[in-house]
Order: sequence, then C-alpha cells, then structure tokens
Amino acid sequence: KNEVEQSPQNLTAQEGEFITINCSYSVGISALHWLQQHPGGGIVSLFMLSSGKKKHGRLIATINIQEKHSSLHITASHPRDSAVYICAAAYYGGSQGNLIFGKGTKLSVKP
Amino acid sequence: NAGVTQTPKFQVLKTGQSMTLQCAQDMNHNSMYWYRQDPGMGLRLIYYSASEGTTDKGEVPNGYNVSRLNKREFSLRLESAAPSQTSVYFCASSGVGEGWETQYFGPGTRLLVL
Repeated sequence: KNEVEQSPQNLTAQEGEFITINCSYSVGISALHWLQQHPGGGIVSLFMLSSGKKKHGRLIATINIQEKHSSLHITASHPRDSAVYICAAAYYGGSQGNLIFGKGTKLSVKP
Repeated sequence: NAGVTQTPKFQVLKTGQSMTLQCAQDMNHNSMYWYRQDPGMGLRLIYYSASEGTTDKGEVPNGYNVSRLNKREFSLRLESAAPSQTSVYFCASSGVGEGWETQYFGPGTRLLVL
C-alpha cells in the first residue's frame, strides 16, 4: 500500500530556531507536495517537488529520490509559522492529481 | 476571484438525515476533489472528478455520492448520515499555480452527525 509517513508528529520550537520536518514515502512517486494548514483550518499549497530543492522565502523543501525522503525546513522560525505541515505524494499509477497525504506535523513556535 | 468556496461551513445532522455539501471554483480548473479529515489521520480522498461529466471513487467513497454539475461545481451528498461521517470535509480543485500543478482548497465544512 502506498503510504506517506511524517515525523515528528508534534514539534515545539523557540522563535528564531531552524526547523526540519521529515516525510518518507514508498516507491514510484511522480511528485511530492508540501502543504500548510492554518490553525483556522485553511489549507494552502507550499511546494511541489519532483527532484532537488525549492526555496520560497524562509521555507526550503528538498527531496532525495534514492532515499525516498523529503524535508521541509523553516529558517528563522516565527510564531506565525505555527501550523500543521502536511506532505502528500502523487504516486505513479494513481489517477490524475490524486494524492496520498501524511498525517501532518503540528508545529508550534513560541515567542 | 473567490477561489474555492464551500457551503455550509457548519452542519449538525441526526443519524439518517441527508444533506448536500456544495463546492464551487472560479479558476476554470478541470479537476475537483472531495476529502475528509479526521483527527489523527491524513486527508482522505472520497471522490474526485477529472473533468466535467466524470467522477471516480477515491479511498473512502462508501456512504457518499457526488455530482459534477458543470465545470465550476462539484457537490457531495450524504444520503443517510451516520455518526462515522462526522468529520471536516474539504473540497479542492487543481490547476497550475506558482509554476506547478497545485491543489486549491476550500475553507472546509465541519459536519457533526448525532
């Protein structure tokens, strides 16, 4: 069964810390997505990766295809980064656009 | 440009009642999705529609039906609600944004079945 595993489940950090959230997946993905779910429930897409690394502001996402692993890094964390971060995999053989989601990592950044 | 809208935001049903969750998008996307999100679990796909006039089952379709009324609208119907359907329901559509195929989510509907 195609699965997506995230770690840690919960993460508490002090403002300014460098944060890493991990995601591992089974074989045969065409893309890996990172999403952010705000405390109010809204979900926004942050990145889609099929190889290498992407950066947007203080957020950096990397993927290692050989190790079947992706990481989301947040530099100089801020309380407004507090949210649930979700990774999702698009598996080959899955129907168009279908994603398998991890359970999410709840991040709390303290001032 | 409202993105993806969902109605209602909250709903309480009694077991056996029926209801329809409405979803609309104004981004001219072909693909639309219905997910449910339960505590301790990832988002799970209920149904999706790759284009107007087509629908397919996702991971957890039992107890639900869908209609892709037109390109904009994709509704989810619970014919006979059960407590196990208490969840937060998200509608999404997908298209190219920020340079990649992106899913855009609605604000969610919180459903409680008593």
